[in-house]
Amino acid sequence: DIQMTQSPSSLSASVGDRVTITCRASQDISIYVSWYQQKPGKAPNLLIYAASNLEGGVPSRFRGSGSGTDFTLTISSLQPEDFATYYCQESRDTLFTFGPGTTVDLK
Amino acid sequence: QMQMLESGPGLVKPSETLSLTCTVSGVSIDTGGYYWAWIRQPPGKGLEWIGRIFYRGTTDYHPSLMSRLTISRETSKNQFSLKLRSVTDADTAVYYCARSNEGYYGSGSYGLWGRGTVVTVSS
Repeated sequence: DIQMTQSPSSLSASVGDRVTITCRASQDISIYVSWYQQKPGKAPNLLIYAASNLEGGVPSRFRGSGSGTDFTLTISSLQPEDFATYYCQESRDTLFTFGPGTTVDLK
Repeated sequence: QMQMLESGPGLVKPSETLSLTCTVSGVSIDTGGYYWAWIRQPPGKGLEWIGRIFYRGTTDYHPSLMSRLTISRETSKNQFSLKLRSVTDADTAVYYCARSNEGYYGSGSYGLWGRGTVVTVSS
């Protein structure tokens, strides 16, 4: 089974900061990675699919990169509405495993 | 506007069957290229993919749930459903239905979600 890890598990940042979240897969998954944002009490919202493709309607300050085992989600300039938990998810196999999440809160 | 809405009992007794339905509006579940999935989130924890049904009716299940799980669809009502048998408190979670994106790389990502429904397993 493919395992997904994320780092850090949480981070504190200020509005305007550049934020980087890393996701690592336990084996090569090509570009089969998606990123989601989830706010408390809400369903996840797809940000990025196929490692670097921005989902329609998602602001361009969100960028995904990587391939193989190492992936990154970057928020270029953190906005107040971006404080949330972020999950990566693999789709290389039919387990569709999610990472444990990274919580971004206000410094 | 496309919407998905989960419905079902909020409380299920241990050893009984959890049954949920997802009602889809704004798009037909027969529309080619999409997978219709169930994903859950235990309280305070991360997301777990449960299973999916393809627009043609074929299914994939998480191996850890396969022996207890059935996902089916009723196209006349534009609904798909989940039945999870012999539940324990480990099945307590928010259950989401979701639709995949299209395409070779998109089909593993979920761009449309229901708001989720809380299911508690307790006697």
